[in-house]
Amino acid sequence: EAQVTQNPRYLITVTGKKLTVTCSQNMNHEYMSWYRQDPGLGLRQIYYSMNVEVTDKGDVPEGYKVSRKEKRNFPLILESPSPNQTSLYFCASSFERGITGELFFGEGSRLTVL
Amino acid sequence: AQSVAQPEDQVNVAEGNPLTVKCTYSVSGNPYLFWYVQYPNRGLQFLLKYITGDNLVKGSYGFEAEFNKSQTSFHLKKPSALVSDSALYFCAVRDRLYGNNRLAFGKGNQVVVIP
Repeated sequence: EAQVTQNPRYLITVTGKKLTVTCSQNMNHEYMSWYRQDPGLGLRQIYYSMNVEVTDKGDVPEGYKVSRKEKRNFPLILESPSPNQTSLYFCASSFERGITGELFFGEGSRLTVL
Repeated sequence: AQSVAQPEDQVNVAEGNPLTVKCTYSVSGNPYLFWYVQYPNRGLQFLLKYITGDNLVKGSYGFEAEFNKSQTSFHLKKPSALVSDSALYFCAVRDRLYGNNRLAFGKGNQVVVIP
């Protein structure tokens, strides 16, 4: 089954404790992206990747890091989480380098930073 | 930079009535436009897209959208709403020439279909 898998789905952590949200897709997509969803703000792009070893900032990259060492994986790293990073996070992937193709989304990871 | 406006926070419609969810966009060049739907506790699912060609685009679950360049709009429509259409709907736009492959989403519209 074609899918984007995120882990963990739910996480409660404390300020400053490094964490990684993993994302994996099995569709051989070149384009992958991370979004955060906040009430009243919709989805905002954090980082995206056009291919292996190619990443770029989205609209709200501060406080986040990403890497793309393999085509299927695109982890989101919070080096020192803060309460304003409490949010619902979505990973997404697309063929056609994301230009005209639709995005396939994971189920989301709800993060709470205390 | 590209942006999307979805002016209504919530749309209430009776089951069987036409459903319209409004979207206007802003880009420097020409747009690629998308609609996504999010059901509770789920990720977003693709509904339809406008890339080029016919201004009326048909998508999944009986939805369609009309691209209007002069009004910079891409409203989502369904002739007869179902209770199961109750969900959060997102419009998104990418600028063909100047978008740097970034997709901008609107804030979302909550659709409530009343039985």
